[in-house]
Amino acid sequence: KAGVTQTPRYLIKTRGQQVTLSCSPISGHRSVSWYQQTPGQGLQFLFEYFSETQRNKGNFPGRFSGRQFSNSRSEMNVSTLELGDSALYLCASSSLGETQYFGPGTRLLVL
Amino acid sequence: GQQLNQSPQSMFIQEGEDVSMNCTSSSIFNTWLWYKQDPGEGPVLLIALYKAGELTSNGRLTAQFGITRKDSFLNISASIPSDVGIYFCAGQLWNNNDMRFGAGTRLTVKP
Repeated sequence: KAGVTQTPRYLIKTRGQQVTLSCSPISGHRSVSWYQQTPGQGLQFLFEYFSETQRNKGNFPGRFSGRQFSNSRSEMNVSTLELGDSALYLCASSSLGETQYFGPGTRLLVL
Repeated sequence: GQQLNQSPQSMFIQEGEDVSMNCTSSSIFNTWLWYKQDPGEGPVLLIALYKAGELTSNGRLTAQFGITRKDSFLNISASIPSDVGIYFCAGQLWNNNDMRFGAGTRLTVKP
């Protein structure tokens, strides 16, 4: 089985722009979760989608949003980028309530 | 932010030595997981623990789910250079993909 894939792997944006990141889960997994990883805050949960519905949400501002498509692929959007949004964004897929498997991440740099 | 206390923060050991790291929490979790992350990549699942008291091995790795459900440890025996990386513990509640992570243990193995 192919693993979780994320695109793009690297991204450079400037403050005020918006960005969309994509995640394709492992085949058969319908749950997709997103995490932000920074040196200062570590790994933090953003949100989880299951069957095109957001099931859980972490403590992030409304500039961070996501969606899931009928094929379980998910996108994450960050609007009005700030310098502090520079991070590795990780997506993880699983069957509902089961162990999560991570993708390689998208490294976002905001200048 | 993180709710798990992971220690030690870093370890410098000689090849062939055994390693032990642990994680404690003020909250109960139903699942404890241990991940390893290499630079620029997403975390890779090493061991998942689902029952209090459970002791599970994966090759040279052994992990235990504490009886109180508030702690877990990971042991690596006979370390080798490719064990270098950052090890994260994570706690998860049933049917909830909001995983909480420790800050990580950075392992360096000197040949």
